[in-house]
Amino acid sequence: DGGITQSPKYLFRKEGQNVTLSCEQNLNHDAMYWYRQDPGQGLRLIYYSQIVNDFQKGDIAEGYSVSREKKESFPLTVTSAQKNPTAFYLCASNPGQSRYGYTFGSGTRLTVV
Amino acid sequence: AQSVTQLGSHVSVSEGALVLLRCNYSSSVPPYLFWYVQYPNQGLQLLLKYTSAATLVKGINGFEAEFKKSETSFHLTKPSAHMSDAAEYFCAVSGGGADGLTFGKGTHLIIQP
Repeated sequence: DGGITQSPKYLFRKEGQNVTLSCEQNLNHDAMYWYRQDPGQGLRLIYYSQIVNDFQKGDIAEGYSVSREKKESFPLTVTSAQKNPTAFYLCASNPGQSRYGYTFGSGTRLTVV
Repeated sequence: AQSVTQLGSHVSVSEGALVLLRCNYSSSVPPYLFWYVQYPNQGLQLLLKYTSAATLVKGINGFEAEFKKSETSFHLTKPSAHMSDAAEYFCAVSGGGADGLTFGKGTHLIIQP
């Protein structure tokens, strides 16, 4: 079955360390997204990519970086510059137009210890 | 620019009673509107979407929503609540492109036995 795979499901990081979250899709979707979820705040857009080798900042890009070297992969790096990285991170994809809807992965819970 | 307001961070209903979750949106372009459901520590599952066809949209698990342009609303309803409906519900809006969804802060639905 087609879908989005996020790994790992749980991730622990020491303060000052960078960490990379994986997102892979086999839906042949052009566009991919990273969202951050905090209790009571909904989901906020970090970065998105509409095509390979191109990406745009979302609403809360500071302290994060991404790459899009392959159509099926869109990894997110949480850098040491992100002041409050503990959160639930969700990856999504879309064929290229909103009317087709967005598919979400099962998420990665990142905890800074 | 787009925004979503979900009235009520928590809604409690009795099993078998009507479920009504409220969503109002703001959009500078004709919107596409979505309702998603999230169970604990999981990703988001699409319940239904409005993409400028019928204003009354039927989704999965007996849910439906009505797009009312004059009220800028897209409220989610279900005639009879079931215990399995207990979850977090998110309303989201997008324009026609693929630059991502703007989410409301979510409504936690509690089902009383």
